[in-house]
Amino acid sequence: NAGVMQNPRHLVRRRGQEARLRCSPMKGHSHVYWYRQLPEEGLKFMVYLQKENIIDESGMPKERFSAEFPKEGPSILRIQQVVRGDSAAYFCASSPGWGQVNYNEQFFGPGTRLTVL
Amino acid sequence: AQKITQTQPGMFVQEKEAVTLDCTYDTSDPSYGLFWYKQPSSGEMIFLIYQGSYDQQNATEGRYSLNFQKARKSANLVISASQLGDSAMYFCAMREETSYDKVIFGPGTSLSVIP
Repeated sequence: NAGVMQNPRHLVRRRGQEARLRCSPMKGHSHVYWYRQLPEEGLKFMVYLQKENIIDESGMPKERFSAEFPKEGPSILRIQQVVRGDSAAYFCASSPGWGQVNYNEQFFGPGTRLTVL
Repeated sequence: AQKITQTQPGMFVQEKEAVTLDCTYDTSDPSYGLFWYKQPSSGEMIFLIYQGSYDQQNATEGRYSLNFQKARKSANLVISASQLGDSAMYFCAMREETSYDKVIFGPGTSLSVIP
């Protein structure tokens, strides 16, 4: 049973370009979360999605950032017109729905390290 | 206000000894969960242990145990018989039931195990 998959693992972009980060949750998981970890800091919640729905985006910057979790395919975190301050590790986590086995735990992917030049 | 506080930015422990990593939290939600994650230098986040707010007993997972003191709002991680591979960042985290399951992380504690 594959874990949470994220790609790419490393992404380099120049200022002004777009970054697209992909996350495939664990099989059977319907909840996806995105977190950002700036250098020397803990993880900060960005957005929580279920299939085709954004449940909580209170941690998302108001501009340039968007996320989706379509009916088919991975969840995508999209950053438009990247700036140097966007350089960070972006982690995706997934969990089963409430009431299912292991619903307490969020399983993290390996992260995507974004570097903006 | 900080929801999760980890007051020890860095800790050292001798190999084979036990170490306690401190964590205090702030919530008014009656239902919540507390987590500890390990992040080695390779960067991945490794789940260690979970404690629910209604759990009567302290959680244990192998060499990891969680010293849960609800009235004090503290959830310290105890690692027994430290190993060199335990050197990593350790994050305490909380999930409040009323917050759509998002996990709030503390700033982390860097643990170094000395041979």
